[in-house]
Amino acid sequence: NAGVMQNPRHLVRRRGQEARLRCSPMKGHSHVYWYRQLPEEGLKFMVYLQKENIIDESGMPKERFSAEFPKEGPSILRIQQVVRGDSAAYFCASSPGPSKYEQYFGPGTRLTVT
Amino acid sequence: AQKITQTQPGMFVQEKEAVTLDCTYDTSDPSYGLFWYKQPSSGEMIFLIYQGSYDQQNATEGRYSLNFQKARKSANLVISASQLGDSAMYFCAMRERDFGNEKLTFGTGTRLTIIP
Repeated sequence: NAGVMQNPRHLVRRRGQEARLRCSPMKGHSHVYWYRQLPEEGLKFMVYLQKENIIDESGMPKERFSAEFPKEGPSILRIQQVVRGDSAAYFCASSPGPSKYEQYFGPGTRLTVT
Repeated sequence: AQKITQTQPGMFVQEKEAVTLDCTYDTSDPSYGLFWYKQPSSGEMIFLIYQGSYDQQNATEGRYSLNFQKARKSANLVISASQLGDSAMYFCAMRERDFGNEKLTFGTGTRLTIIP
């Protein structure tokens, strides 16, 4: 039973480019969460999605960031026109539903903006 | 106010000793969950232990136990017989029921170093 998969594991982008981060939840999980971890900090919630729906995006910056979780395929976190401050580790977590205890985390994508 | 507070930025502990990592939380939700995660230098987040607000007993998982004191709003992680492989960042997190959104709120973490 494969765990949560994220790719790429490391991503380097120049300022102004776009970054696309992918997350494949565990089999049977329909709830996906994205978190961002800045260096030497804890994880901060960004967005919560179910298939084809954004449930809560209260943690997402208002501009340049977007997320989707289509009916087929992985969840995508998209950052347009990246800036140095976007450099961070981005974690995806999945769960089977709202009444389950654990969120299972992926290995994270480390984004570096040069 | 911080929802999750971890007051120990770093700790050094002798191998084989027990260690307690502090965590206090703040919520008005009567139904919540508390989690501890370990983040080794490789960066992944490893789930360690969970405590529900209505659980009568403190959670235990192998060498990990959670000292849950509801009235004090504390959920300290206890690691017995520490090992070199326990050296990592440890994060306390809380889940509140917010209109069905089960997002986690994390503390700032404690960096634990086990000394041989």
